[in-house]
Amino acid sequence: QSVLTQPPSVSGAPGQRVTISCTGSSSNIGAGYDVHWYQQLPRTAPKLLIYGNSNRPSGLPDRFSVSKSGTSAFLAISGLQAEDEGDYYCQSYDSSGSWVFGGGTKLTVL
Amino acid sequence: QVQLQESGPGLVKPSETLSLTCTVSGGSINNYYWSWIRQPPGKGLEWIGYIYYSGSTHYNPSLKSRVTVSVDTSKNQFSLNLTSVTAADTAVYYCAKQVTTSGTNWFDPWGQGALVTVSS
Repeated sequence: QSVLTQPPSVSGAPGQRVTISCTGSSSNIGAGYDVHWYQQLPRTAPKLLIYGNSNRPSGLPDRFSVSKSGTSAFLAISGLQAEDEGDYYCQSYDSSGSWVFGGGTKLTVL
Repeated sequence: QVQLQESGPGLVKPSETLSLTCTVSGGSINNYYWSWIRQPPGKGLEWIGYIYYSGSTHYNPSLKSRVTVSVDTSKNQFSLNLTSVTAADTAVYYCAKQVTTSGTNWFDPWGQGALVTVSS
């Protein structure tokens, strides 16, 4: 059971926009800790996608955007492409003394 | 750029100790934090613990009693020991650089991962 809750799966057609939610509590996201996002393509290691709430590593297209509200954070992917298919994870810090991840969301491009 | 590579046995017997080493190349291990993260088959990610190059550590409270992370700056390596393993410890183990800035932490880059199976 992950500390941060994500939907198991989302899907969308090429060109569409999808949103992945990441719900925590008052001891992590709700406490104001930053949320970071990772992309894990099939059979590869996770890769940093967005850090520090809204910063993108160089080369990452601006089709990826994030937002935050209360105890939840959101990753939006617009203009879906086939190469976006994979698993997405959110990450934050919990005041229990541990960095925590969501359970992951599998994105399927139809 | 910095690259990380995990190494160690892929099979460990129940009740024994899991040991992995992460070799850092393309940059120095000095002045940074380094973490271990694991992913059980088909499941999500779990942070295990970090070590600072100076040797200070911080572990996930749920694993603290069984985990030791150490560093060898002369070899640009850091290591993970997890004692008294059970089948629940079967996972892909990743090492990663823990980036710390302005009060926030993220993980980048990651090693390719090492699958460790606990079985007799």
